[in-house]
Amino acid sequence: DAGVTQSPTHLIKTRGQQVTLRCSPKSGHDTVSWYQQALGQGPQFIFQYYEEEERQRGNFPDRFSGHQFPNYSSELNVNALLLGDSALYLCASSFKLTLYSAETQYFGPGTRLLVL
Amino acid sequence: GQQVMQIPQYQHVQEGEDFTTYCNSSTTLSNIQWYKQRPGGHPVFLIQLVKSGEVKKQKRLTFQFGEAKKNSSLHITATQTTDVGTYFCAGDHTGTASKLTFGTGTRLQVTL
Repeated sequence: DAGVTQSPTHLIKTRGQQVTLRCSPKSGHDTVSWYQQALGQGPQFIFQYYEEEERQRGNFPDRFSGHQFPNYSSELNVNALLLGDSALYLCASSFKLTLYSAETQYFGPGTRLLVL
Repeated sequence: GQQVMQIPQYQHVQEGEDFTTYCNSSTTLSNIQWYKQRPGGHPVFLIQLVKSGEVKKQKRLTFQFGEAKKNSSLHITATQTTDVGTYFCAGDHTGTASKLTFGTGTRLQVTL
């Protein structure tokens, strides 16, 4: 049973470019959350997708957008990259019994993005 | 916005010593989760606490949720080198685990 998978593992971009990161949730999970973790800091919540809709959003600009597909996989898109976007991007999946339930999140290995 | 602070930022212990990290939220939490992240790795879920005053144990690890549901602690008895990593608490203010606010983390180093 595969856990949460993310691709690519590493990525180097230059300022102003756009990037797309991908996440496949753990088997049986229907909810995907994205986090940004800068070096030496805790993960910061970007947004969460459930039933192909963005359900919650953290304090991130509109340059950060996402999508969830019918198979529950998800993409994170970042436009107009800034140097400060360099970080580890983590995807976490869970299974929601209802929209308002709280379940354990399982994190993927992350995508390390470097913006030059 | 909500803030979750952890102390200490870093602790270095000798194997066999005990270790405690404390987590404090600026607002009342619906529940709190604890994660461990090894160097170069990703956060791994350890436990979730939901009830006021709740105490849970996992082998050498003891987790506690404060009566006011604004603070929590993780205590490790007789640390081992395998305990090395950064321990994060993550607070859920919404009751849906939809928007976890992670603490600043405590990095634990254990030497022989």
